[in-house]
Amino acid sequence: GAGVSQSPSNKVTEKGKDVELRCDPISGHTALYWYRQSLGQGLEFLIYFQGNSAPDKSGLPSDRFSAERTGGSVSTLTIQRTQQEDSAVYLCASSLGSLRNTIYFGEGSWLTVV
Amino acid sequence: GNSVTQMEGPVTLSEEAFLTINCTYTATGYPSLFWYVQYPGEGLQLLLKATKADDKGSNKGFEATYRKETTSFHLEKGSVQVSDSAVYFCALSDTSGSRLTFGEGTQLTVNP
Repeated sequence: GAGVSQSPSNKVTEKGKDVELRCDPISGHTALYWYRQSLGQGLEFLIYFQGNSAPDKSGLPSDRFSAERTGGSVSTLTIQRTQQEDSAVYLCASSLGSLRNTIYFGEGSWLTVV
Repeated sequence: GNSVTQMEGPVTLSEEAFLTINCTYTATGYPSLFWYVQYPGEGLQLLLKATKADDKGSNKGFEATYRKETTSFHLEKGSVQVSDSAVYFCALSDTSGSRLTFGEGTQLTVNP
């Protein structure tokens, strides 16, 4: 597709379950970012990929959160043993190279933990 | 660390009114500055950016000037339209270029 694609768009899960969120960046974009948007916290940086490596993953809030990127394209954000405070919109973005180029955001995956 | 502070919302204006949304920042070095907009039901979109002091970013009638002396990047538009109703986020990139730091967002509603 032409833009950043994320799935699922909405996910309701029970506390304690694991969830996987997928991001398909714009073709050819080497940089990929994950952010979290939640009430009261604004937009928080989670992790940055350049190709398949993650030079900055300092924003991951706990060891329950992990992310990988394969083939320099699709990325998966995994949250293990979900908690209610994980409820948020998870945004993926991509760009050519780095922030010196325009970042394009997906529409997000809305996660609700009940 | 880096931080961005935006004026609190929500902001409600009548069509054709003048808009200012204040944004100030704290950062080391020389960050790039951005305004992003999120229309209802849509993802974040880059509205404009400025990469060095005294640069002016502009797009769709919106403008913002990178003021290093006041560490500000205020968003302005001379005459707002109903279609400008959205949430506006000020952001900066750190000098390593690996992350954006966002402000809290300002909800703008423009009434006809």
